[in-house]
Amino acid sequence: GDSVTQMEGPVTLSEEACLTINCTYTATGYPSLFWYVQYPGEGLQLLLKATKADDKGSNKGFEATYRKETTSFHLEKGSVQVSDSAVYFCAYSNTGNQFYFGTGTSLTVIP
Amino acid sequence: GAVVSQHPSWVICKSGTSVKIECRSLDFQATTMFWYRQFPKQSLMLMATSNEGSKATYEQGVEKDKFLINHASLTLSTLTVTSAHPEDSSFYICSAIAGGTGANVLTFGAGSRLTVL
Repeated sequence: GDSVTQMEGPVTLSEEACLTINCTYTATGYPSLFWYVQYPGEGLQLLLKATKADDKGSNKGFEATYRKETTSFHLEKGSVQVSDSAVYFCAYSNTGNQFYFGTGTSLTVIP
Repeated sequence: GAVVSQHPSWVICKSGTSVKIECRSLDFQATTMFWYRQFPKQSLMLMATSNEGSKATYEQGVEKDKFLINHASLTLSTLTVTSAHPEDSSFYICSAIAGGTGANVLTFGAGSRLTVL
């Protein structure tokens, strides 16, 4: 069935390091793909999205490219900051009315 | 952009009491809202899908008599934890679907932390 698999954490990086959080999905059709971020004690916020193959979503220095051939949507950032410390969730929606989430990857950035 | 407001953000109650959590879509109408539960350092667990004007659809293993969901209008869904016990202590998050450019986007509330003593 449909599912999302993302890299397990926790991930700890030094400030200004490069970040990659892997996400792959199993779905029929052409889903929309999302990354959500959850800062400590808060709800989830949409970070970026992509709706079709080869689309690149970007926001706050984060990027993710919709790769249909590898069914992936890896999250990347070239230089992380302490303020990026949060839990990141990969998600997809096939019908627009159902959303599937990965288990979340905790990122801690140390000065 | 679309905003979902959740209230209260934190509630502490005694065991045996009932607690109501509200989820409002502030600038859009939401025929469908979702309720999640999140334990510390864990992922989201979908509890139920709330549909305006009809009964909620509960996920397997979620007690519908324990977690009452009412979606009486296009902008408001409520979750009532009845006869709460310490094991119900958790972070409850609601979300709603807002139409976005090219795709529907799930917009989340800030969450409600429930502590049952």
